[in-house]
Amino acid sequence: DTGVSQDPRHKITKRGQNVTFRCDPISEHNRLYWYRQTLGQGPEFLTYFQNEAQLEKSRLLSDRFSAERPKGSFSTLEIQRTEQGDSAMYLCASSFGESFSGANVLTFGAGSRLTVL
Amino acid sequence: GQNIDQPTEMTATEGAIVQINCTYQTSGFNGLFWYQQHAGEAPTFLSYNVLDGLEEKGRFSSFLSRSKGYSYLLLKELQMKDSASYLCAVMDSNYQLIWGAGTKLIIKP
Repeated sequence: DTGVSQDPRHKITKRGQNVTFRCDPISEHNRLYWYRQTLGQGPEFLTYFQNEAQLEKSRLLSDRFSAERPKGSFSTLEIQRTEQGDSAMYLCASSFGESFSGANVLTFGAGSRLTVL
Repeated sequence: GQNIDQPTEMTATEGAIVQINCTYQTSGFNGLFWYQQHAGEAPTFLSYNVLDGLEEKGRFSSFLSRSKGYSYLLLKELQMKDSASYLCAVMDSNYQLIWGAGTKLIIKP
């Protein structure tokens, strides 16, 4: 297993364009998270899946953002009509658990860096 | 509101010891995590504390005091490769991770 994979690693786009990021979690992990991180800040929660179900979505997430996890495997995060404020590193993380406990260790991917011009 | 505080930046010397503090105010507590993040790379898990006390793992140790809302990460025998950001995160009552902004640690020869 090569860990959590994210693609593309870098994306430069013009304002108003749509972008899509893909995340392939560790195969036996049933939970998948999307975070956004800007320079000098910690990760900011965007959304979370358990298997194929999207269980939580940040209130900060506008309706331009949508995420899917068909068949409970890989996930995609789409940003429509991008804005300059969307420029950030988009991190995907996965974990395994049957029920929630505190010891829910996340394994992160290397991230997809988005630059909106 | 929920808040995690850690110093923005610290500098230490190769071979020395450094302590990175984290204080938190969250709605509930289900454990505290420390992650290491090298520039441009993914955060990687270092430690998890849910009970008071010190957890030692090689050169790294993490301490927790729930009554004080306080944790620290202790790094011994510092190496140049320890130059990174160290992120403190608390799992709240909804099992959501609340993240600090990270402490950038600079190691000098």
